[in-house]
Amino acid sequence: EPEVTQTPSHQVTQMGQEVILRCVPISNHLYFYWYRQILGQKVEFLVSFYNNEISEKSEIFDDQFSVERPDGSNFTLKIRSTKLEDSAMYFCVAGQGVDTEAFFGQGTRLTVV
Amino acid sequence: DAKTTQPTSMDCAEGRAANLPCNHSTISGNEYVYWYRQIHSQGPQYIIHGLKNNETNEMASLIITEDRKSSTLILPHATLRDTAVYYCIVRVASYNTDKLIFGTGTRLQVFP
Repeated sequence: EPEVTQTPSHQVTQMGQEVILRCVPISNHLYFYWYRQILGQKVEFLVSFYNNEISEKSEIFDDQFSVERPDGSNFTLKIRSTKLEDSAMYFCVAGQGVDTEAFFGQGTRLTVV
Repeated sequence: DAKTTQPTSMDCAEGRAANLPCNHSTISGNEYVYWYRQIHSQGPQYIIHGLKNNETNEMASLIITEDRKSSTLILPHATLRDTAVYYCIVRVASYNTDKLIFGTGTRLQVFP
């Protein structure tokens, strides 16, 4: 069983629509993150989440983005009104913190048309 | 910004050791060095990490210099499946958060 499972694997949406990307990490993880990778570019940090709140976010993570972990298992990333430049691979990451492995999911490829 | 610098690309013959260097001259005393790799657009795969001491696991060895300003990832017997982009990362942490800051990595091509 993978440490982190993401759904869907690929999502196509129209510009301006809301999308929710879902992640199910193994339950003993404490720290959760979202990263994204625009095609051909670096893996970029978006946000970290600890103790049921955002602990850090990057400049990319503006008011259009939000995260939550409402039921203690699913960890979601919502983009309220997608833009063309939001097209990317989004990775959910989970772990126990420093000096441990951070597990990446296989990603959700978001295509905004 | 990434705190590491790596060569853009490297080649290695199958069966030989692949030695991937990384400079992290501004690393702080409590920051760990992590290595991940990414095959195509798959999720990055953890390889190894260390603080001060050299580390070895079933995938690779990590050699960290005494001053901690650089390190080398060693894949002892490279196979074609090891062809990937390898990222050397300094894991930055504070009391309630930490993050992996990716650079551009080294594209390792293993050839027959």
